[in-house]
Amino acid sequence: EVELVQSGAEVKKPGESLKISCKGAGYNFNNFWIGWVRQMPGKGLEWMGIIYPDDSDTRYSPSFQGHVTISADKSITTAYLHWSSLKASDTAIYYCSRLVGTTTVDPFHIWGQGTMVTVSS
Amino acid sequence: QPVLTQPPSVSGAPGQRVTISCTGSSSNIGARYDVHWYQQLPGTAPKLLIYINNKRPSGVPDRFSGSKSGTSASLVITGLQAEDEADYYCQSYDSSLSGSGVFGGGTKLTVL
Repeated sequence: EVELVQSGAEVKKPGESLKISCKGAGYNFNNFWIGWVRQMPGKGLEWMGIIYPDDSDTRYSPSFQGHVTISADKSITTAYLHWSSLKASDTAIYYCSRLVGTTTVDPFHIWGQGTMVTVSS
Repeated sequence: QPVLTQPPSVSGAPGQRVTISCTGSSSNIGARYDVHWYQQLPGTAPKLLIYINNKRPSGVPDRFSGSKSGTSASLVITGLQAEDEADYYCQSYDSSLSGSGVFGGGTKLTVL
């Protein structure tokens, strides 16, 4: 079964760093783009960026470029979303999702269960 | 503000037909980029509903259909059922944003 399993909920203080994870299973992890989507409380979906695990080619939305880092470790079929300094406005559910095909404009197909990140002093 | 514009809410009675619009511009839907639609039930992750404008993934009922014309796209749901009550999002890509993906603001469907 193709699945993405995300790390658990996090509660952090402003200024702290955080890395959340997304482990892929049941498919060739290296050869499908995998991305991150933010959903702030009561709000819509926001496309953050995608990574191709085989060569770590990464594309970011201009809205998120410089604020987060997307990475992947293909040896353990895991993608990551990293913040070096969290803000209260980073409070949201973060979903990882695998694109259906192998191009950057493919839709998101397989979704993780979401990771709730709460940033509060 | 989302790059793609959707109505905040639509509603319909069971058995009726509803249409959800998604309006973009010449740099996204009006360009070469396809439109995809997602359904998000309360408290769950989104689910791919329609891809490449009008294709349904395996398991999605044919009550759901999509279309694209010019700088807009539409999702049509016929034979409304109570379990269709959810948030619906369109998604495409935008050349003015370095080819990054963009979502619509989402539409809350209420089944009366």
